[in-house]
Amino acid sequence: GDSVTQMEGPVTLSEEAFLTINCTYTATGYPSLFWYVQYPGEGLQLLLKATKADDKGSNKGFEATYRKETTSFHLEKGSVQVSDSAVYFCALSGIGTSYGKLTFGQGTILTVHP
Amino acid sequence: EPEVTQTPSHQVTQMGQEVILRCVPISNHLYFYWYRQILGQKVEFLVSFYNNEISEKSEIFDDQFSVERPDGSNFTLKIRSTKLEDSAMYFCAGTPSYNSPLHFGNGTRLTVT
Repeated sequence: GDSVTQMEGPVTLSEEAFLTINCTYTATGYPSLFWYVQYPGEGLQLLLKATKADDKGSNKGFEATYRKETTSFHLEKGSVQVSDSAVYFCALSGIGTSYGKLTFGQGTILTVHP
Repeated sequence: EPEVTQTPSHQVTQMGQEVILRCVPISNHLYFYWYRQILGQKVEFLVSFYNNEISEKSEIFDDQFSVERPDGSNFTLKIRSTKLEDSAMYFCAGTPSYNSPLHFGNGTRLTVT
């Protein structure tokens, strides 16, 4: 079945450092890929998405590129802020009418220190 | 920006009791979902719901679980006889079309004692 593997955390960075959170997936067909973020005490918020190979999703300075050849969707940000501290989840969609049946990675806790 | 609202934020119940988790989706949403996250584990799909019917359900969603949207607004998840292993964070989600990204609520933390 479909699966998503994220780099193990937690990740601790200083403000303005470069961030990479690795995500690889196994899927049948051509799913869409997502990064969701969960701030403390809140729900899952869509951060960015990509719907096909070589698409780049971007939002709030975060980027991820859908790499079919390496089955990856790594999250990057050039300069993190304290406010980026959160849990980040990589996910893939189902296919067709199962689009909303998401498969999630285990989540990566990011802590950014001033 | 409209939000998906879940109540209560935390529910404590005794094993064997029935519990109902409530969700108010965004008004233009037509497709609804429940997910759960057991502490320390991945977020897992439970069920999808469209046009007043279950579209798809996971192996987790057994006969102890049911969903309904009785009044066209609230979307509920009922667990008939809770078990200790039902303790988890339950997330409601919705979307206006089947191929749009999901909007999640803040979750209900269910603790079964």
